[in-house]
Amino acid sequence: GAGVSQSPSNKVTEKGKDVELRCDPISGHTALYWYRQSLGQGLEFLIYFQGNSAPDKSGLPSDRFSAERTGGSVSTLTIQRTQQEDSAVYLCASSLWGNQPQHFGDGTRLSIL
Amino acid sequence: AQTVTQSQPEMSVQEAETVTLSCTYDTSESNYYLFWYKQPPSRQMILVIRQEAYKQQNATENRFSVNFQKAAKSFSLKISDSQLGDTAMYFCAFSAQGGSEKLVFGKGTKLTVNP
Repeated sequence: GAGVSQSPSNKVTEKGKDVELRCDPISGHTALYWYRQSLGQGLEFLIYFQGNSAPDKSGLPSDRFSAERTGGSVSTLTIQRTQQEDSAVYLCASSLWGNQPQHFGDGTRLSIL
Repeated sequence: AQTVTQSQPEMSVQEAETVTLSCTYDTSESNYYLFWYKQPPSRQMILVIRQEAYKQQNATENRFSVNFQKAAKSFSLKISDSQLGDTAMYFCAFSAQGGSEKLVFGKGTKLTVNP
C-alpha cells in the first residue's frame, strides 16, 4: 500500500498479558516513529529509528516497553505485562529521513481489561 | 525541553466562514519546524501545514495559512471558507532540527464546522 500500515487495528487483552503491535512504514522511508495517544497524557513520543543508527528510546515509559525494527522496514512495539494505564492508541509514523514530514498510520487502539 | 500549548480545547465555526486556532510554544532551539496536524474521527493524523522557523514568510496550503510570530513564539492556523470536512481535532506540533526530530504535540483543539 501507499501509506503507513498498522496492525491490529484494535486489540483487547487482559492485564498482565504481553502484546505486540506492528508497523509497516512507507516504502523507502528510513525514519520510523512510535507515539502513544491517551486521554490523560495526549500525544507522547515513544521511540525513533533511523536507518542503522541506534534508536532514540528516550520516550519509552518503562522497561516493559520495547521495540525493534527488522531490516530497516517493519517495526514491532512490544508491551510486556500490560497494565491498565497502557490503554491508548499507539500511532506509528515514517518519513524519508528525520528532517522530513512524518506520515502516520491509522493507529492501534489497545484496551487492557 | 520544548512545550506546545493550545489554549482552545474546543471551537466551532459556520460553514464558509473563517476560523483561527491558536498555538504557542516554548523552546531554546534556534532551528526548528512547526506543524499543524488534523485528526478526524478515523484516527489518522494528516499533515495540514509545515513551517520552517528560519523562513519569515508564512506557509500557506490552499485554504489553510499560518501566522508565525517567531519572537512571540506563536503559530496560529487560519482556515478560510470552512467546510464540513474540516471538522476534526487539530494538533499543533514542534520538532527541533537535528537529532531524532520527534514531534512534541499540544493537547489539541476540537473544531466543529456547522452547516
